[in-house]
Amino acid sequence: SQQGEEDPQALSIQEGENATMNCSYKTSINNLQWYRQNSGRGLVHLILIRSNEREKHSGRLRVTLDTSKKSSSLLITASRAADTASYFCATVPYTGTASKLTFGTGTRLQVTL
Amino acid sequence: DADVTQTPRNRITKTGKRIMLECSQTKGHDRMYWYRQDPGLGLRLIYYSFDVKDINKGEISDGYSVSRQAQAKFSLSLESAIPNQTALYFCATSDFGDTGELFFGEGSRLTVL
Repeated sequence: SQQGEEDPQALSIQEGENATMNCSYKTSINNLQWYRQNSGRGLVHLILIRSNEREKHSGRLRVTLDTSKKSSSLLITASRAADTASYFCATVPYTGTASKLTFGTGTRLQVTL
Repeated sequence: DADVTQTPRNRITKTGKRIMLECSQTKGHDRMYWYRQDPGLGLRLIYYSFDVKDINKGEISDGYSVSRQAQAKFSLSLESAIPNQTALYFCATSDFGDTGELFFGEGSRLTVL
């Protein structure tokens, strides 16, 4: 079963615009992570936010976490064509270990020139 | 060289054949994982290992087996491949700790005819 569900499933924007994708999950978490996957390649870790944090920044990435709504959002500002990829949220449950990191189904982002 | 290396990168085989996918890592991590990715289903955990003597089933272990030959090597076997095992397979590693951040290989694309 999938812990995280991303929304939208696909997003197409123009270069320079901001991209926002959302993740909802079902059970209490220790942390939530976002990963990026270029087509047919391995996933790359982008950012981690712990359950006691509400917002985190890394470069052009901004992640928010609302544990009361069991949801997170990833904002990519001033997007570039190179940001074209699939983005996945993944959660580590509150009582779990890394073994229980479960992934959502992903958002496919297309950034056009 | 990549930190997490998977071989083969692509494999086409026939129903009933035995297949082994291999993973080696130079990150010095104790924890290793095998995930399967199918379109629209995200990543699902097949097996994971916290050390050489610790092997655990994941969400979808039926039809698969694993071997942890050394700290750096973790292989996935399909004893008798079937068409619905056609997928992209990923090996990942993580360090000891509660964050669960995963480091992925580039994937092995398996097609079972």
